[in-house]
Amino acid sequence: GAGVSQSPSNKVTEKGKDVELRCDPISGHTALYWYRQSLGQGLEFLIYFQGNSAPDKSGLPSDRFSAERTGGSVSTLTIQRTQQEDSAVYLCASSLAAGTTSTDTQYFGPGTRLTVL
Amino acid sequence: AQSVTQLDSHVSVSEGTPVLLRCNYSSSYSPSLFWYVQHPNKGLQLLLKYTSAATLVKGINGFEAEFKKSETSFHLTKPSAHMSDAAEYFCVVIPDTGRRALTFGSGTRLQVQP
Repeated sequence: GAGVSQSPSNKVTEKGKDVELRCDPISGHTALYWYRQSLGQGLEFLIYFQGNSAPDKSGLPSDRFSAERTGGSVSTLTIQRTQQEDSAVYLCASSLAAGTTSTDTQYFGPGTRLTVL
Repeated sequence: AQSVTQLDSHVSVSEGTPVLLRCNYSSSYSPSLFWYVQHPNKGLQLLLKYTSAATLVKGINGFEAEFKKSETSFHLTKPSAHMSDAAEYFCVVIPDTGRRALTFGSGTRLQVQP
């Protein structure tokens, strides 16, 4: 079946502009995660959605970052007033999140490479 | 909160020789640990995971890892390296019970020489 898809694959923007990154999780997966991979910071967690629960936003680096998940499926990560330090690969993952276990496998998308000039 | 430390940023082996990628974790309880692999220009893929069922965990592509509580280690091994194993490997932990967000180590780049 189809895996996690992300769009666009590459995004180049100018400093100060807003960007939206999209994630389509695997069908039936109730949990969705955003991570960021950058040279300076490595791989870091940003935000997590689980069903209808309030999202875990503890990893968002500033209030310029926000995300939503509509209808329990597609998610959009928005970065407002982009800065050069926002340049990174943004990764989305999804998992079944069945029951209370935290060890279900997270399946990652190919990422969106964001470059802020 | 828990974290993981990958002891080597780069490891180089010859094809056909054993692979050892080292990972230590800090923990106040029994953690959930994973190894992920990232091939160039590809997404992250789960190699294996430890969930306290068995201390020796077998994964895909001949990799395995052993959870050693006394040493707080979760090293990744493979008996014989293949050229296709060249990639970045991440040791990963779920830092807090009840949460699902992954905390990644800094990564180990594995080079396989012919």
